[in-house]
Amino acid sequence: GQQLNQSPQSMFIQEGEDVSMNCTSSSIFNTWLWYKQDPGEGPVLLIALYKAGELTSNGRLTAQFGITRKDSFLNISASIPSDVGIYFCAGQTPVGKSNFGNEKLTFGTGTRLTIIP
Amino acid sequence: NAGVTQTPKFRILKIGQSMTLQCTQDMNHNYMYWYRQDPGMGLKLIYYSVGAGITDKGEVPNGYNVSRSTTEDFPLRLELAAPSQTSVYFCASSPVRPEAFFGQGTRLTVV
Repeated sequence: GQQLNQSPQSMFIQEGEDVSMNCTSSSIFNTWLWYKQDPGEGPVLLIALYKAGELTSNGRLTAQFGITRKDSFLNISASIPSDVGIYFCAGQTPVGKSNFGNEKLTFGTGTRLTIIP
Repeated sequence: NAGVTQTPKFRILKIGQSMTLQCTQDMNHNYMYWYRQDPGMGLKLIYYSVGAGITDKGEVPNGYNVSRSTTEDFPLRLELAAPSQTSVYFCASSPVRPEAFFGQGTRLTVV
């Protein structure tokens, strides 16, 4: 099946630093999503990207849909303690056999963000 | 607004036992999903549903079954629990766009 390579696997930064992470795929996706997961919780959607080249912000978070449709990146500016968690990218492409428009997500393996005091 | 609710939050099963993981959503979403998350890994799709009465296999369906009799509910059934099914299970729902909303998860251990 499709695979998403997410990097880095982990990051250790100081509060106030900017963060950058990315996802790459060998396949083309129609949509890129970025999620954050806190310990013991389900993933929460941060940003959704629907068009190649799209650049979208959500507060201190900025994400871009790569022109090739095979990659996406997420930046976090001026990190704060509550940014700690695991960030997942997810790519979506329509199910070929379905006419229902259902679209399954392929998830990356996550980037674990730790903020050093 | 409760969103996606999963029960139970934790469960320990013996090998060969069966159980049902419950999932309900109150957002009137057509699409619902079951994922499993193994340590250090991303989420793998087990089953999904595009509406009441319609389900289909995802990436890792073996050992599981689902049903979707209503829009709100999408239970996941494990018939013969195996240690390989030890994982955290997440239910999710979405509107037409693939912006899935996740429940808090069920942590299952099979011993």
